[in-house]
Amino acid sequence: DIQMTQSPSTLSASVGDRVTISCRASQNINSWLAWYQQKPGKAPKLLIYKASNLESGVPSRFSGSGSGTDFTLTISSLQPDDFATYCCQQYNSYPRTFGQGTKVELK
Amino acid sequence: QVQLVESGGGVVQPGGSLRLSCAASGFTFSGYGMNWVRQAPGKGLEWVAFIRSDGSKIYYADSVKGRFTISRDNSKNTLYLQMNSLRPEDTAVYNCAKDPSHYGSGYYDCWGQGTLVTVSS
Repeated sequence: DIQMTQSPSTLSASVGDRVTISCRASQNINSWLAWYQQKPGKAPKLLIYKASNLESGVPSRFSGSGSGTDFTLTISSLQPDDFATYCCQQYNSYPRTFGQGTKVELK
Repeated sequence: QVQLVESGGGVVQPGGSLRLSCAASGFTFSGYGMNWVRQAPGKGLEWVAFIRSDGSKIYYADSVKGRFTISRDNSKNTLYLQMNSLRPEDTAVYNCAKDPSHYGSGYYDCWGQGTLVTVSS
């Protein structure tokens, strides 16, 4: 199975900050990577697919980059609604696997 | 508006069975692959199973293979997960998740809010 490792596990930031979350795959997954946002008690929300494609309706302050084994999710200017947990997911092969999540909290 | 609503969760003893349902609306259910994804308390997301739009392809995580069965009824716009021989480690919130293609692109563009399954004596 492909292991997905995110860093950091928790990130403290302020509104307006630029935030970067990393995701590393244990083997090459090309660009088959998605990013999701999770809030307590709510359904996860797709943000990015194929490493850098912004899902329709997602604000442009979110962006994704990377290929192969190293990927990044960037929030260019953190907004109050963005305090949440973010996780990456590979879909290069079965079983699909997720990172453990990065919680973005208020500094 | 795309909507997925899970039901059927509850408390069950180890070794017991449970059947989850996911009612879909707002899109042509028969045209898309569907998945179950779970999240144990305090843990990350874990993909459980996938079924192609017409049911012709099915995949399972090793952790549930032989115990869980994914199925769908396109006439009822409903996805199912039959869970047998349940173990305490199956305790989780179970979400259904829609694939953006019929064959299984592999990512999930719409999720339900989930239903909680607790396996405990």
